[in-house]
Amino acid sequence: EPEVTQTPSHQVTQMGQEVILRCVPISNHLYFYWYRQILGQKVEFLVSFYNNEISEKSEIFDDQFSVERPDGSNFTLKIRSTKLEDSAMYFCASSRTGGNEQFFGPGTRLTVL
Amino acid sequence: GQNIDQPTEMTATEGAIVQINCTYQTSGFNGLFWYQQHAGEAPTFLSYNVLDGLEEKGRFSSFLSRSKGYSYLLLKELQMKDSASYLCAVIYRDSGNTPLVFGKGTRLSVIA
Repeated sequence: EPEVTQTPSHQVTQMGQEVILRCVPISNHLYFYWYRQILGQKVEFLVSFYNNEISEKSEIFDDQFSVERPDGSNFTLKIRSTKLEDSAMYFCASSRTGGNEQFFGPGTRLTVL
Repeated sequence: GQNIDQPTEMTATEGAIVQINCTYQTSGFNGLFWYQQHAGEAPTFLSYNVLDGLEEKGRFSSFLSRSKGYSYLLLKELQMKDSASYLCAVIYRDSGNTPLVFGKGTRLSVIA
């Protein structure tokens, strides 16, 4: 069964450093999302992406964040200058159509020291 | 804001039935999802409701009342492996790439 994959599974970085989180969505899906979940808190939406552009973004997704689909398979989230409060689990998700079930990847646990 | 409310924790006995409730703001509602999330893992899809009524899928069922802004997830014949968080998530609007708005999740503990 096809699944969303994410790398790395864990990332430890120093405050102020740039990180890139990578995702490979399910191959025939057209809609892509990034969510994050701070430990013990709810899953929060960051950004959605369709047709090679951002569809919607939340207040969390400020100028420090960017997304890219550099080729036909990868979907990346970049945090330019990490802050302590960026420590969280970051989930990539994809869906075949806009209102359908979203399939989540296993997540990248980001720790900012 | 689009508040989605569900109980924080529940405990139930192996073999029993448990109902997890979720209430949400109805304005702009366009569908409700239930996800299961084991600790440290990704949410996995359980069910989707957009029309009023009950959707049954094996041991799990989900109910929706659009007018009341209410849903529940029913788990039957509970097993120890059902111990997890259950997330209620709503899609608002029907404008393409709409994000899921999640509740805080209900942590279910199944005891022997």
